[in-house]
Amino acid sequence: SQQGEEDPQALSIQEGENATMNCSYKTSINNLQWYRQNSGRGLVHLILIRSNEREKHSGRLRVTLDTSKKSSSLLITASRAADTASYFCATLLYTGTASKLTFGTGTRLQVTL
Amino acid sequence: DAGVIQSPRHEVTEMGQEVTLRCKPISGHDYLFWYRQTMMRGLELLIYFNNNVPIDDSGMPEDRFSAKMPNASFSTLKIQPSEPRDSAVYFCASSPGQGVDGANVLTFGAGSRLTVL
Repeated sequence: SQQGEEDPQALSIQEGENATMNCSYKTSINNLQWYRQNSGRGLVHLILIRSNEREKHSGRLRVTLDTSKKSSSLLITASRAADTASYFCATLLYTGTASKLTFGTGTRLQVTL
Repeated sequence: DAGVIQSPRHEVTEMGQEVTLRCKPISGHDYLFWYRQTMMRGLELLIYFNNNVPIDDSGMPEDRFSAKMPNASFSTLKIQPSEPRDSAVYFCASSPGQGVDGANVLTFGAGSRLTVL
């Protein structure tokens, strides 16, 4: 079963605009990760935010985490055509002996010239 | 490092046939994961290994699916007999460790696209 639900399911923007994707989840987590998947490829890790962090930046990426609302957002600033891909959030729950990384449903981002 | 290597990239087979998917994880990664991706169900964890030992196989759909990891550099996912509903992209991924830090970040292979007719 999927832990995360992403919103919107699909997003189309023009190059240079910002793209915001949201992820909601249901249970406690230890960290939340965002991955990108280009068409026909495997997923690539983008950024990780721990449960005790509220915001994190990496280049043009900005991730926020609100554990009280069980939600996260990924902002891509100044988007480029090469950012066209599907974006997935993944939540990690670590029990001390085992961990499980569960992926959301994904947001398909289309960046047009 | 060449990353996580999966084979075959594409497999078309007929219902009832045996399918074997292969994976070579990144050297030094102690954890190996098998995921399945479909439009209807998204990305599902099937099974994962730690140091070649299966830890959680609760995602394996049914007895037709089996996975092995005979050594640190090789794993297989076998479907016997295959059915049309098994059609999906199967991903292998590996990570250096677990815990709440970045050790649990996954590196994915390119996937094996399976079509069962």
